[in-house]
Amino acid sequence: QPVLTQPPSVSGAPGQRVTISCTGSSSNIGAAYDVHWYQQVPGSAPKLLIYENYHRPSGVPDRFSGYKSGTAASLTITGLQAEDDADYFCQSYDSALSDYVFGTGTTVIVL
Amino acid sequence: QLHLQESGPGLVKPSETLSLICNVSGVSINSTNVYWGWIRQPPGKGLEWLANIHYSGSTYYPLSLKSRLTISVETSKNQFSLKMTSVTAADTAVYYCTRRVVGGDWFDPWGQGTLVTVSS
Repeated sequence: QPVLTQPPSVSGAPGQRVTISCTGSSSNIGAAYDVHWYQQVPGSAPKLLIYENYHRPSGVPDRFSGYKSGTAASLTITGLQAEDDADYFCQSYDSALSDYVFGTGTTVIVL
Repeated sequence: QLHLQESGPGLVKPSETLSLICNVSGVSINSTNVYWGWIRQPPGKGLEWLANIHYSGSTYYPLSLKSRLTISVETSKNQFSLKMTSVTAADTAVYYCTRRVVGGDWFDPWGQGTLVTVSS
């Protein structure tokens, strides 16, 4: 069972800003483990979008940004584009489970 | 450039053992700063980490599945594999192979995935 909680969906019109939350606990995000984000276009494998809370891999547009504080993290998409229509998952490490844990996933709907 | 490609049986009967292979190209599987691994995703659901291995032989599994999983490296073929015993319908999923760098907790890149269905 996923231990990181995300909203099932968020939506926005092209050009708008949307934020996806990722809520954990004292054994994962709150224990200073980093948060990473993945984008999954339907029918494709997940792709790394943000690593170590806010770093973008080469090739990821700067409209994607990450933030972490306390037991939660967030992913913000600024200037939403049609191609951002996808599922997004957060990921961290949980010391109580000795397990790499993922969020429940959020579908971004571009209106 | 690193490329990962999974291969699997497609269909497995309940109680049998599932065997998956990940072919690694573009990088030696003997890289000292890499963990190779597997993650799965049941249809329409979230992601679940399954295993990691370093070429030296160190292996890591989630406690919930440790008794059923074996990950191994085949250096001569630049491949790594995963075996899962006693499969049930709950093991139906797309299985992805991935890389994790030493010192990092993220997975990148991912293979395209292979769908495994458990059914009689």
